[in-house]
Amino acid sequence: KNEVEQSPQNLTAQEGEFITINCSYSVGISALHWLQQHPGGGIVSLFMLSSGKKKHGRLIATINIQEKHSSLHITASHPRDSAVYICAVNNYGGSQGNLIFGKGTKLSVKP
Amino acid sequence: DSGVTQTPKHLITATGQRVTLRCSPRSGDLSVYWYQQSLDQGLQFLIQYYNGEERAKGNILERFSAQQFPDLHSELNLSSLELGDSALYFCASSVTWGGGVNTGELFFGEGSRLTVL
Repeated sequence: KNEVEQSPQNLTAQEGEFITINCSYSVGISALHWLQQHPGGGIVSLFMLSSGKKKHGRLIATINIQEKHSSLHITASHPRDSAVYICAVNNYGGSQGNLIFGKGTKLSVKP
Repeated sequence: DSGVTQTPKHLITATGQRVTLRCSPRSGDLSVYWYQQSLDQGLQFLIQYYNGEERAKGNILERFSAQQFPDLHSELNLSSLELGDSALYFCASSVTWGGGVNTGELFFGEGSRLTVL
C-alpha cells in the first residue's frame, strides 16, 4: 500500500463545477504539499499545510491531521485548471524537500 | 517563473553513457533538492544539498551522484545509463533545509527530460 493515496486518479469536469481531490496518508508528517503539474511538465507548488485550511484565489486546501487526510478544492473550475494535481508529504522530522508523493490526479475541465 | 533554472531541457543519449544535469536555485535559496519522475515509479525524492553539504538521501542509485558548488548551483551526474533511467528530472530549491520545521514552500524548475536509447 502506498504511503500517500490520492483519489480520484482521473477527473473530468465541466467548466464552472466545484472540484474536490482527496489525499490520504499513512505516515506521521510535518507538512503536506499540493503541487500542480501542467502538460508541459513543469511543477508549481500550490500549498504547504501543517494544519487547518489555506485559500488562494479559487483554490482551497484543508488538512485533518487526526484523520490523516487532506482535500484540494477548486471553485468555479476553468479549462486552464486542467493539470495533474499531486499530493506530497514530509515525513515528520525529515528535511523540507524529502517528500513522499502520491500518484497524482489528472483533472480535465471541459468548456 | 519560479526562479529555478534547469539545463538542459531535453537530452537524448545512449545506454552506458554519462550525463550531467544542472540546476541553479532561486537567488538566496540555500537548499537544492533533486527528484526523478518516471512513468512507472512516479515522482521520487533523490537527494538534497544544503549550502554545499549533503543533507538527505532518498531513492538515489549508486550510479547517480550530485554535488552543490560554492555558488549554490547543483549538478546531478548520471552514469552507466540504462533504459529505465529515462525520466524527467526536477530540481527544487528552498531558503532553508527544514529539518522538521517548515520554513517555506518549494520552488521547482521546469525539469530536464532524459531519454536513454
